[in-house]
Amino acid sequence: GAVVSQHPSRVICKSGTSVKIECRSLDFQATTMFWYRQFPKQSLMLMATSNEGSKATYEQGVEKDKFLINHASLTLSTLTVTSAHPEDSSFYICSARLVGTDTQYFGPGTRLTVL
Amino acid sequence: QKEVEQNSGPLSVPEGAIASLNCTYSDRGSQSFFWYRQYSGKSPELIMFIYSNGDKEDGRFTAQLNKASQYVSLLIRDSQPSDSATYLCAVNQAAGGTSYGKLTFGQGTILTVHP
Repeated sequence: GAVVSQHPSRVICKSGTSVKIECRSLDFQATTMFWYRQFPKQSLMLMATSNEGSKATYEQGVEKDKFLINHASLTLSTLTVTSAHPEDSSFYICSARLVGTDTQYFGPGTRLTVL
Repeated sequence: QKEVEQNSGPLSVPEGAIASLNCTYSDRGSQSFFWYRQYSGKSPELIMFIYSNGDKEDGRFTAQLNKASQYVSLLIRDSQPSDSATYLCAVNQAAGGTSYGKLTFGQGTILTVHP
């Protein structure tokens, strides 16, 4: 149980394009999902908290207009990296919090490379 | 600034030994504590969570929590080469605040189990 999927697992795009990443909780409902970014040899950095049916809450220093988050249902959150640049290349990981608990389960991650 | 600190290691233990991983946290109001394992290039995988002072055992893993001293540890008995990974300590923010539900991660401890 508590499986989270992400799609795509890997994406390569040209600078200036937009990329959408999907995060799905497959066997449980998640009113709250989280989006993290991880650069090589560094720890996870929380980007934003995605709440079903309401606006996402962004961490300090994260541009909300660049990283668009939509949480349209209890099992799906999407992150769109708009006008991607090479410095946005990173490992993006989502997690979903099991309703009624504090526990977060992570998706497998999406490796984004912007050329 | 709420912080979670871990010794980055690397911690090297022989196969069959006990690996001891430690974590301290600064927010005295924290309620929930998690250990995740992350293999290179992969996303974090939940190993254990603990809420109450004392020990919690699950197979070869034992989590220990001491809220008075603000530390949480993970013991891995009969360590195997497949346990070689980065171990992330995560602490949930205190209930009632605007940050409730978010996890703060330590930098991770690299564990190497050699045959």
